[in-house]
Amino acid sequence: GQNIDQPTEMTATEGAIVQINCTYQTSGFNGLFWYQQHAGEAPTFLSYNVLDGLEEKGRFSSFLSRSKGYSYLLLKELQMKDSASYLCAVSGGGNKLTFGTGTQLKVEL
Amino acid sequence: DTGVSQDPRHKITKRGQNVTFRCDPISEHNRLYWYRQTLGQGPEFLTYFQNEAQLEKSRLLSDRFSAERPKGSFSTLEIQRTEQGDSAMYLCASSFPGIVEQFFGPGTRLTVL
Repeated sequence: GQNIDQPTEMTATEGAIVQINCTYQTSGFNGLFWYQQHAGEAPTFLSYNVLDGLEEKGRFSSFLSRSKGYSYLLLKELQMKDSASYLCAVSGGGNKLTFGTGTQLKVEL
Repeated sequence: DTGVSQDPRHKITKRGQNVTFRCDPISEHNRLYWYRQTLGQGPEFLTYFQNEAQLEKSRLLSDRFSAERPKGSFSTLEIQRTEQGDSAMYLCASSFPGIVEQFFGPGTRLTVL
């Protein structure tokens, strides 16, 4: 089976750094994704990790440890527009995605 | 616009009615996925196609749900005898051969009264 855990809510200050953690237990693994989803909109791709280590893309970085079943998404220089839900998803057989419940991030002044 | 499109964007129906949604994937994307998302939850996998072949269906997909992709391009998802529990956002995604990233459409929000 698949089990993905991430915090339900987080709050951070504009300009700060925030780390959103994700732990997973899956029967198949072809990689881990992070998606951003604003209210009422479709998820948009942020990052993909298939090997252990850190992937950096602008203000966003994602880390993966396959042995620990652990990933995090790091957001730097937070902006108000970063207020959204952040979804951790594991790609399994057929590349179908199993999503966590999402972490609702609120960025405050 | 060359992104994934879905139609309609919103659908309100009465319990017991049938509804059909359409998804047009990005051109040349051979894989097409359907997900369902309820408020406060992440998307849940329903089914996926590779070209016209339906390769996997989730146990979440009851007999009232059927999906097709007759020519390997657009896909339809039909729900028969809708129930209030079917109220959700239905998301479609597609991916290019050999590429794992899935591109999502804007979704169809279904409300069953």
